[in-house]
Amino acid sequence: SQKIEQNSEALNIQEGKTATLTCNYTNYSPAYLQWYRQDPGRGPVFLLLIRENEKEKRKERLKVTFDTTLKQSLFHITASQPADSATYLCALGHNQGGKLIFGQGTELSVKP
Amino acid sequence: DADVTQTPRNRITKTGKRIMLECSQTKGHDRMYWYRQDPGLGLRLIYYSFDVKDINKGEISDGYSVSRQAQAKFSLSLESAIPNQTALYFCATSDQHSYGYTFGSGTRLTVV
Repeated sequence: SQKIEQNSEALNIQEGKTATLTCNYTNYSPAYLQWYRQDPGRGPVFLLLIRENEKEKRKERLKVTFDTTLKQSLFHITASQPADSATYLCALGHNQGGKLIFGQGTELSVKP
Repeated sequence: DADVTQTPRNRITKTGKRIMLECSQTKGHDRMYWYRQDPGLGLRLIYYSFDVKDINKGEISDGYSVSRQAQAKFSLSLESAIPNQTALYFCATSDQHSYGYTFGSGTRLTVV
């Protein structure tokens, strides 16, 4: 069956460092991969999308890579800030606007 | 006003009771989804609808039903609630021309 795995352990880093979160998947050939941010008690918020034919995507301090051979995406936050502390979810999809399969999320804590 | 509104925000109900969770959106999106979120399990898809006349089961539809009353409204019902349906429930919308989901703020349901 399709499976998505994100870092199960919470990630604790110092302010100013780069946070790197991992998303691995099996038994799936997604057309694209998305990353979301979720704050406690709130719904996830869409951050970035990367398509299967793209290797890397950037948006401000965020960078996402997508390796369809390794079946892995890496999500980087450079110059991290305490305000970046949240849970980050990856999600895979086949069709534009279609249903998504989500990973369980990785909790990121950025200490001042 | 929020783009995707879920009611109620919190609900405690007894085992065996019927309960309805409601979702309405002002995004004008044609696609709507219901997910539940449990600690360590991430978001799991319950039902989804690509237009008013289209209803599809997700990976965990047993014990749930839905109704798409209008393009903007999608409700989730638990016909006879049981304790393992205690979870955080999210409604989300998307558009066939875009990729990212817009989520509501969630309904925290406790079945005692």
